Amino acid sequence: GNSVTQMEGPVTLSEEAFLTINCTYTATGYPSLFWYVQYPGEGLQLLLKATKADDKGSNKGFEATYRKETTSFHLEKGSVQVSDSAVYFCALRPLGSYIPTFGRGTSLIVHP
Amino acid sequence: EAGVTQFPSHSVIEKGQTVTLRCDPISGHDNLYWYRRVMGKEIKFLLHFVKESKQDESGMPNNRFLAERTGGTYSTLKVQPAELEDSGVYFCASSQEGEKLFFGSGTQLSVL
Repeated sequence: GNSVTQMEGPVTLSEEAFLTINCTYTATGYPSLFWYVQYPGEGLQLLLKATKADDKGSNKGFEATYRKETTSFHLEKGSVQVSDSAVYFCALRPLGSYIPTFGRGTSLIVHP
Repeated sequence: EAGVTQFPSHSVIEKGQTVTLRCDPISGHDNLYWYRRVMGKEIKFLLHFVKESKQDESGMPNNRFLAERTGGTYSTLKVQPAELEDSGVYFCASSQEGEKLFFGSGTQLSVL
């Protein structure tokens, strides 16, 4: 079946540090890949997506590249801010399906 | 434009009681999804409505859970009778064509 594996959290960083949150997936075919973010007290929001191999999704300084050969979609940001503190969820959606499969989420805490 | 609204935001009940969660999707969104996240684990799919029809209910854990979407507008998820393992955050999401999901802020259910 389809599954998403994320690195364990929490990830604790100082402001302006480099961020990587690892995500790998298992799926048949060529799923679409997503990163969602949940800020405290809010619902999940789509952060970025990629729909085919080697595509790079980007938004708000965050980037992730769809790597078919390593089945990965790692999230990166060059310089994090305190306001980036949130829970980040990696997800996949199989081709032809309306149902995303989510990982367990990775909590990010950024200190001033 | 109003987002996805869930009610209540928190619910604390005793084992054996009944609880009903409500979700109001974004107006015009035909697709409505229910997901659940147990503490620290994956966000698990429960079911998917297209308008008033259940398109996929493969994630519903057992027959103590009943979801409805009368008239294709708001949806309810009833748990009867509630068990301890039903505790978690219940998320509702809606979408127009399945590409991007809009999430509510969730209902935190605690069964004591």
